[in-house]
Amino acid sequence: GIQVEQSPPDLILQEGANSTLRCNFSDSVNNLQWFHQNPWGQLINLFYIPSGTKQNGRLSATTVATERYSLLYISSSQTTDSGVYFCAVERNNYGQNFVFGPGTRLSVLP
Amino acid sequence: KAGVTQTPRYLIKTRGQQVTLSCSPISGHRSVSWYQQTPGQGLQFLFEYFSETQRNKGNFPGRFSGRQFSNSRSEMNVSTLELGDSALYLCASSPGDRGNGYTFGSGTRLTVV
Repeated sequence: GIQVEQSPPDLILQEGANSTLRCNFSDSVNNLQWFHQNPWGQLINLFYIPSGTKQNGRLSATTVATERYSLLYISSSQTTDSGVYFCAVERNNYGQNFVFGPGTRLSVLP
Repeated sequence: KAGVTQTPRYLIKTRGQQVTLSCSPISGHRSVSWYQQTPGQGLQFLFEYFSETQRNKGNFPGRFSGRQFSNSRSEMNVSTLELGDSALYLCASSPGDRGNGYTFGSGTRLTVV
């Protein structure tokens, strides 16, 4: 099956700093999404981004499908950005079942 | 619009018992997927139901089962609970015919003692 790797596994930032999270996947996919899991366990969908670049406020994401990686950029980080960021991929594009990466745990310090 | 609702939020069960978890999807969504999250294994796909039929299944033993009703609400059942079944169980709903719109519920935290 598809393998998903994420780096770095842990990241500690001061408030206001910028960061880049990376997701590598082992096979071609038609669906890639980034999720943020807050400290209460809720998974929030950040981006649906099988290819190209998208921006939403301080967050942006880029997926280069031909090279099998995706990047999540967080600018001017805030303490509320803390949590675990997951990359998830799906071979199809029907929203059936995702293979999740191990996540990047982000801690933003005040 | 209402999100994905999972009940109960917390559950404590004894080894050997069985448990049923419930998930109500976003209105109009026909697909419901279930995931197990543990510190050791991360997020793992259990199964997915679409229009009352199991469309995909992960690599879990037969003790884990599910079903979907005509109103798209879904339940999952775990029989003969083991200590290793302690986990956060998350369900997600989606339209089922396209990749975006995937939305998770808040999860049910199951503790087996």
